[in-house]
Amino acid sequence: SQTIHQWPATLVQPVGSPLSLECTVEGTSNPNLYWYRQAAGRGLQLLFYSVGIGQISSEVPQNLSASRPQDRQFILSSKKLLLSDSGFYLCAWSSGVIGEQYFGPGTRLTVT
Amino acid sequence: QKEVEQNSGPLSVPEGAIASLNCTYSDRGSQSFFWYRQYSGKSPELIMFIYSNGDKEDGRFTAQLNKASQYVSLLIRDSQPSDSATYLCAAETNFGNEKLTFGTGTRLTIIP
Repeated sequence: SQTIHQWPATLVQPVGSPLSLECTVEGTSNPNLYWYRQAAGRGLQLLFYSVGIGQISSEVPQNLSASRPQDRQFILSSKKLLLSDSGFYLCAWSSGVIGEQYFGPGTRLTVT
Repeated sequence: QKEVEQNSGPLSVPEGAIASLNCTYSDRGSQSFFWYRQYSGKSPELIMFIYSNGDKEDGRFTAQLNKASQYVSLLIRDSQPSDSATYLCAAETNFGNEKLTFGTGTRLTIIP
């Protein structure tokens, strides 16, 4: 069966510091991968998605970037965090059959 | 702009009753629709998906789709306190690329 991992689970970072969040998927090959952010009390905002290694589409221009160095690894980065980057970051994968997405446990980021 | 609209609630339903959650979407080209359950502080969990007009049943859950009215609903029969959560509706918005547009969610509370 498929499993999706995210780490860290929680993170507190000062403004201006760098960020690296990692997501890995097990049990499937060539998944579509997604990064979402959910601000407190808000809906899911799609940040990036990837249909293959090195293929990244950005949905929202901002100080974040994403990379997919391996088939089942997706990384979200920032060089300098802003207060507005605080939120619940969710990675998801999709097999490409119906389009259903499965979410990882998430990383709760607080920028202070 | 492609949108998915949900009543934010809160929706309060007595234990054992039927909970009815509704969702409308703006993109007539959307093919597939998804319901996710999100407990407070947790990541969304896929409950059901539907892509044909009519009803689809899975245990206590029934998804309903009316493409002419651009309307999707989720019925939860015999509601239990463990059903208390936020329910997210999502529509596939870019056929083939598997991007989903999420509503902001309806918070459901089951009253014992």
